[in-house]
Amino acid sequence: DIQMTQSPSSLSASVGDRVTISCRASQTISRYLNWYQHKPGKAPKLLISAAFNLQGGVPSRFSGWGSETDFTLTISSLQPEDFATYYCQQSANSPPTFGQGTKLEIK
Amino acid sequence: QLQLQESGPGLVKVSETLSLTCSVSGGSISSSSYYWGWIRQPPGKGLEWIGSIFFTGSTFYSPSLKSRVTISVDTSKDQFSLRLTSVTAADTAVYYCARRQLGGGGAFDIWGQGTMVTVSS
Repeated sequence: DIQMTQSPSSLSASVGDRVTISCRASQTISRYLNWYQHKPGKAPKLLISAAFNLQGGVPSRFSGWGSETDFTLTISSLQPEDFATYYCQQSANSPPTFGQGTKLEIK
Repeated sequence: QLQLQESGPGLVKVSETLSLTCSVSGGSISSSSYYWGWIRQPPGKGLEWIGSIFFTGSTFYSPSLKSRVTISVDTSKDQFSLRLTSVTAADTAVYYCARRQLGGGGAFDIWGQGTMVTVSS
C-alpha cells in the first residue's frame, strides 16, 4: 500500500493567516492526489482533486499543488469556517489510502 | 442534488456480522462514471477505505479486510450494502458511504453523513 504522510498533524492559526499543509506519498503517484475537509459530525467534503483541480463551490482561497510524491494544500486567508481537519488521499494505486489528517485549530 | 444516507444497527456484538446499507437519492446508482464505496474512521484515527462496487456488481476490496467483507448493489432500489463478518472491537468506527469518480483524480466526491457502529461484547 502507498503510505501518505501529512505534516503537520495539527496547526494553530488565526483568521486571515495563510497556511500550508503538506502531504507526501511513499512512492510516486503522479497527480492522483485529492484533498478533503472534515468537520465533526459532518460528511467529509472534497476540496481539490487531481492535485490542483478546485471543486465547484469551493472558495478560491483554497489551492493545491504538487506532483509525484510531494503535495501541498494552501489556504490563502483563513476564514472561521475553515477550522477543520484536512486529509489527503491518493488514488494512483489500489487500495486508495488517506493521510492521517491535519487538524487546523483557532489560535 | 445527489445524496447518500447510511442506515443500519449502531451496535453489533463481537463475532457477529455488521450490516449497513447506503441509499442513493437525487440520482441513479447505475452510472458508468462512478464507483460506490465504504470508508470507515475508528475513534481518534484516520480514514480507511473498505471497498467499492460498480453498478454491474464488480467489487474491489481492501486487502486487509477482504476475507471478511462483502459489498453488494441493488440497482432497483439505488442502494448498496456492506457486510463485515466476525467483527471485533477494532471494527468500532464511523462508517461512511461515498461515491467515487471513475476517472479524473479518482476522488470520493459525495459522502454520506456517516453512521457510528460500536462493537461490544
